[in-house]
Amino acid sequence: NAGVMQNPRHLVRRRGQEARLRCSPMKGHSHVYWYRQLPEEGLKFMVYLQKENIIDESGMPKERFSAEFPKEGPSILRIQQVVRGDSAAYFCASSPRRLSGENTGELFFGEGSRLTVL
Amino acid sequence: GESVGLHLPTLSVQEGDNSIINCAYSNSASDYFIWYKQESGKGPQFIIDIRSNMDKRQGQRVTVLLNKTVKHLSLQIAATQPGDSAVYFCAEKNNRLAFGKGNQVVVIP
Repeated sequence: NAGVMQNPRHLVRRRGQEARLRCSPMKGHSHVYWYRQLPEEGLKFMVYLQKENIIDESGMPKERFSAEFPKEGPSILRIQQVVRGDSAAYFCASSPRRLSGENTGELFFGEGSRLTVL
Repeated sequence: GESVGLHLPTLSVQEGDNSIINCAYSNSASDYFIWYKQESGKGPQFIIDIRSNMDKRQGQRVTVLLNKTVKHLSLQIAATQPGDSAVYFCAEKNNRLAFGKGNQVVVIP
């Protein structure tokens, strides 16, 4: 049973280019979360998606960042016109159910995608 | 470690000793508190959680203590091993997980 798969593991982009990060959740998981890990800031929530729906995007920057989780295929985090400040590790996590009520909140994380903007 | 390059609070502990990692949380409405471990170059891994109506929970070699009065969470690792070297994050759940800054544990052989 494969875990959460993220690719690419490492991505180098020049300023102004686009970055696309992909995440395939664990089998049977329909809830996906993206987190960003910046130096000095730890893990910061970005967005929570369920199949074909964005549930909570309160942590997403207002511009240049978008996320989707289509009916078929992986979840995509897209960063347009990257800047040096976007350099970070981006982690995807999945869960089989929504984080609410009696659900303990255990998320299964991928190994991350490390974006470097030159 | 490579995982984040953070200037984190660091606990150096001798192999075989016990480790205690502390965390302050902010949201009184959080219903679960969770500890994650992140090894260098890897994603966070769930260690143990505790429900908000409990004050102690034990796992294998780990114990989590919750003090809601002062909004404090701690993780105790018994007989620390080299494989315990990692960054440890506390997280609180209230519809989504919010992570604290992390503590680095370095185990000295």
